[in-house]
Amino acid sequence: QQQVKQSPQSLIVQKGGISIINCAYENTAFDYFPWYQQFPGKGPALLIAIRPDVSEKKEGRFTISFNKSAKQFSLHIMDSQPGDSATYFCAASPMTTDSWGKLQFGAGTQVVVTP
Amino acid sequence: DTGVSQNPRHKITKRGQNVTFRCDPISEHNRLYWYRQTLGQGPEFLTYFQNEAQLEKSRLLSDRFSAERPKGSFSTLEIQRTEQGDSAMYLCASGARQQFFGPGTRLTVL
Repeated sequence: QQQVKQSPQSLIVQKGGISIINCAYENTAFDYFPWYQQFPGKGPALLIAIRPDVSEKKEGRFTISFNKSAKQFSLHIMDSQPGDSATYFCAASPMTTDSWGKLQFGAGTQVVVTP
Repeated sequence: DTGVSQNPRHKITKRGQNVTFRCDPISEHNRLYWYRQTLGQGPEFLTYFQNEAQLEKSRLLSDRFSAERPKGSFSTLEIQRTEQGDSAMYLCASGARQQFFGPGTRLTVL
């Protein structure tokens, strides 16, 4: 069963626009929430990550918003550029020692930024 | 290059053959993870190592799959008697919370 649910499956945004991707989780043991960017034929690359004690984290044009009570988090890509066209994955990992670092991924969102 | 490397990048094999993939992690990382990614899906956890010890295996890892990390450095993933359903991208990552992924090995089983 998918422990992290991601939406939308795909989105098209114009250059300069905002891309918003949402994820939801059920397992309250999750305490680390990274976002990865993946280009075709490449491995995922870490973009930005957040811990549940923070409600928002911004790095450049990328912002994570985190709602602990709703068990939801989202990625906002501001001023989207054609080079941002890629597949984005949210993920989560638990705090327990044995499973520490074991990432559960969402199904991915394919983002296309049109010129 | 100080990133995670994987070899080969592509492997085409016939059903029933054995294949082996190699992962070289970032040198100072104790933890090494294997994931499998099928088309249109996110990576799925297979197994991980803390140094040379294999600490957890997913139910996805049938008895045809075996992974090793003999000296706590590089790791190998072997698939015996490959099936068409094994066709996927096999990803290796190293690190702890912040995991760095290699480029993957794309396996095609004919």
